[in-house]
Amino acid sequence: DADVTQTPRNRITKTGKRIMLECSQTKGHDRMYWYRQDPGLGLRLIYYSFDVKDINKGEISDGYSVSRQAQAKFSLSLESAIPNQTALYFCATGGGGDTQYFGPGTRLTVL
Amino acid sequence: SQQGEEDPQALSIQEGENATMNCSYKTSINNLQWYRQNSGRGLVHLILIRSNEREKHSGRLRVTLDTSKKSSSLLITASRAADTASYFCAIYSGGSNYKLTFGKGTLLTVNP
Repeated sequence: DADVTQTPRNRITKTGKRIMLECSQTKGHDRMYWYRQDPGLGLRLIYYSFDVKDINKGEISDGYSVSRQAQAKFSLSLESAIPNQTALYFCATGGGGDTQYFGPGTRLTVL
Repeated sequence: SQQGEEDPQALSIQEGENATMNCSYKTSINNLQWYRQNSGRGLVHLILIRSNEREKHSGRLRVTLDTSKKSSSLLITASRAADTASYFCAIYSGGSNYKLTFGKGTLLTVNP
């Protein structure tokens, strides 16, 4: 089984809808991250968490919220989706070192 | 911004040739990492080089770091079609936030 899983893998939704993307990990890592990837822009950090009680904004947190339900689970929500949030979303974890381990991604389309 | 900038944006070579891609950055770093992304998939960590290291090898990968020029290069030797992917450098500046800043990537195409 994959160490970092994301659900759903693909999602099409409409403007104004609330969307939740979920991430689970079996690596036992404390640190978890949410990124979005847009063509030509690389990865940009949305939120990150060091434990259940520690949530931090990244460089593009506006329009997003997160919940760290447990050490192994970190969810990203779009309260009211808009078309420019169409992107590929990645969850990642980090352990004792600086390396990060990525999930397979969620492709989100907002119409 | 501490974002790394990869160069070139795209590179196309024949199988068996070597591929070199570069990453430049602006301020001091703790380490620099390279990741690979196959089309539409998650990133996979390839290699990490610390600020006090100048060269590192892993299999067919060779990474160099020149902190005076604030640049790094990734060399893939004897490339294979399976090496076709996007390659990203990621900067870790240090501190307790453990945040990585990614560049925009180099798209490598290895033709059979």
